[in-house]
Amino acid sequence: QMQLQESGPGLVKPSQTLSLTCTVSDDSISSGRYYWSWIRQPAGKGLEWIGRVYPSGSTNYNPSLKRRVTISIDASKKQFFLKLSSVTAADTAMYYCARGHALYSLDVWGHGTTVTVSS
Amino acid sequence: DIQMTQSPSTLSASVGDRVTITCRASQTINNWLAWYQQRPGKAPKLLIYEASTLQSGVPSRFSGSGSGTEFTLTISSLQPDDFATFYCQHYSGLSHTFGQGTKLEIK
Repeated sequence: QMQLQESGPGLVKPSQTLSLTCTVSDDSISSGRYYWSWIRQPAGKGLEWIGRVYPSGSTNYNPSLKRRVTISIDASKKQFFLKLSSVTAADTAMYYCARGHALYSLDVWGHGTTVTVSS
Repeated sequence: DIQMTQSPSTLSASVGDRVTITCRASQTINNWLAWYQQRPGKAPKLLIYEASTLQSGVPSRFSGSGSGTEFTLTISSLQPDDFATFYCQHYSGLSHTFGQGTKLEIK
């Protein structure tokens, strides 16, 4: 079973850029069948889709975050990345990466990584 | 932007009960609707996609129905493991949007 693993700093200062990496356990990251998403969840709240990247590098973002988000991919390393700029306390959340498919949406998720924005 | 609204926000039920959660879209989304289950401290798990197709490995007591703007998730006979939070999600070529979630509690 394919696995995803998020990694990155657990603490980011306000106004700085949050950077996370998701490592994919198999070669499906290179398959045109899938896309690769980031989702976040503040403690005790609901899920918010951040955006996605295709193996080609094409992206789609949540309009509410679009100004601050960049998602990229390096299939040769089996990794994709999230950068969120100008963070505030409102960006404190659990961040998940997930594999997506046009037909069945997000079928494999990482365990998540907690990011706290605080000085 | 398409908005997804779930009801109820909280649902209390007992083992063996049949429960239904509703998800409404602010405009027609055809069948591009998924349901997820999230247990405390865990990542969401895909249950149903395309409104009514059961993901592989998901018990048959879970079912989904609906089209257009109104969708339902039904659990036919609640098991102890089912108490969790459930989310609907619209997915499309441009974006994904989650509902706010329905917490299923033990009565």
